[in-house]
Amino acid sequence: NAGVTQTPKFQVLKTGQSMTLQCAQDMNHEYMSWYRQDPGMGLRLIHYSVGAGITDQGEVPNGYNVSRSTTEDFPLRLLSAAPSQTSVYFCASSYSGGTGSTEAFFGQGTRLTVV
Amino acid sequence: RKEVEQDPGPFNVPEGATVAFNCTYSNSASQSFFWYRQDCRKEPKLLMSVYSSGNEDGRFTAQLNRASQYISLLIRDSKLSDSATYLCVVISTDSWGKLQFGAGTQVVVTP
Repeated sequence: NAGVTQTPKFQVLKTGQSMTLQCAQDMNHEYMSWYRQDPGMGLRLIHYSVGAGITDQGEVPNGYNVSRSTTEDFPLRLLSAAPSQTSVYFCASSYSGGTGSTEAFFGQGTRLTVV
Repeated sequence: RKEVEQDPGPFNVPEGATVAFNCTYSNSASQSFFWYRQDCRKEPKLLMSVYSSGNEDGRFTAQLNRASQYISLLIRDSKLSDSATYLCVVISTDSWGKLQFGAGTQVVVTP
């Protein structure tokens, strides 16, 4: 089982460059989300999706775009990279179990440095 | 105020001892609660769900106190391999896609 595949694992960008972080899941989960993790701040939600064609903003959406054309894929685009976007990025997929049960599965993370 | 708050620690625990720590949440509409474990900023992994009646999984016990809006995690007979950061996660059932994370509690088990 591949689970959640996130690429690349490491990336260095120059200020102003754009790039796309890829995320794919093979578990047919309806929910997918992107988080960033900075030291001492835990994981903060950037954008999330409750199904194909439906996305919404999280806590820190500025500077990022997402789209979800298929259930499997949820790419995160950095429009014009800034040093403040240096962070570790995690993609997650999850499901609702109906009785309060759920589990989120995470990709291995992308360590992004913007210089 | 953050929606989910945790004591960052670190909690330094001798091997074999018991350690417990809490997580408070501010949204009274929160309905589902979880503890995740994260090693060295790798991807978080589910440790256990937290049920209203409290639940155990081996050496780990989770409790929920809705009146005071906190959950707790207790680790008995600590092992060196329990050294990690423990993340509290809260979900509102009208927002299943939005996991609210605490900043994490670091536990260091020493020989």
